[in-house]
Amino acid sequence: QVQLVQSGAEVKKPGSSVKVSCKASGGTFSSYAISWVRQAPGQGLEWMGGFIPIFGTANYAQKFQGRVTITADESTTTAYMELSSLRSEDTAMYYCARGYSSGLTGTIDFWGQGTLVTVSS
Amino acid sequence: QPVLTQPPSSSASPGESARLTCTLPSDINVGSYNIYWYQQKPGSPPRYLLNYYSDSDKGQGSGVPSRFSGSKDASANTGILLISGLQSEDEADYYCMIWPSNALGVFGGGTKLTVL
Repeated sequence: QVQLVQSGAEVKKPGSSVKVSCKASGGTFSSYAISWVRQAPGQGLEWMGGFIPIFGTANYAQKFQGRVTITADESTTTAYMELSSLRSEDTAMYYCARGYSSGLTGTIDFWGQGTLVTVSS
Repeated sequence: QPVLTQPPSSSASPGESARLTCTLPSDINVGSYNIYWYQQKPGSPPRYLLNYYSDSDKGQGSGVPSRFSGSKDASANTGILLISGLQSEDEADYYCMIWPSNALGVFGGGTKLTVL
């Protein structure tokens, strides 16, 4: 049974950074790519980027290039998403997710519970 | 990255069918993409429903009823999610998604489906 368990809610000041973790269990961690998706309050889903463990590389949506860093630690089967230079518009629920593909493609079958990040002065 | 256009809202009565659309920009051809559909209910993460590339290349999520189906309208450059025999539990937000080149994902803006 695949499970993705994310770290708890965060409150951050504008201009700071946040790092959200996503602990995976069930299945071979290195075999499947992980995506990060965010959802601002009352808004739609936004794909931010993802990590491909078999290559050890990350891809980022153009909107977040330069501000987001996605990494993974195979030894702890944990993925991370760090977003810097936070602004109020970054207030959102952040989800990690994965499917059955080794690359960033295909279905997204499993989702974390979400981590609420609030950016407020 | 391309912008996928979904109508913000749609409604239908129980037992009727709902046809939700996802229009791709004119510079990319819907025929070249697998269209993925997700359902999201308040307070929950999205749930994978199905994907549609062609009648011979499609998939259905685990436990997703067969009254959820996908198709395409090439003339409108649009992916379609059809929900037949609407039930009150189908009231939710629905998102389409594609994976354009370079392993980047894009979601549509979502459609809020109301079951009257």
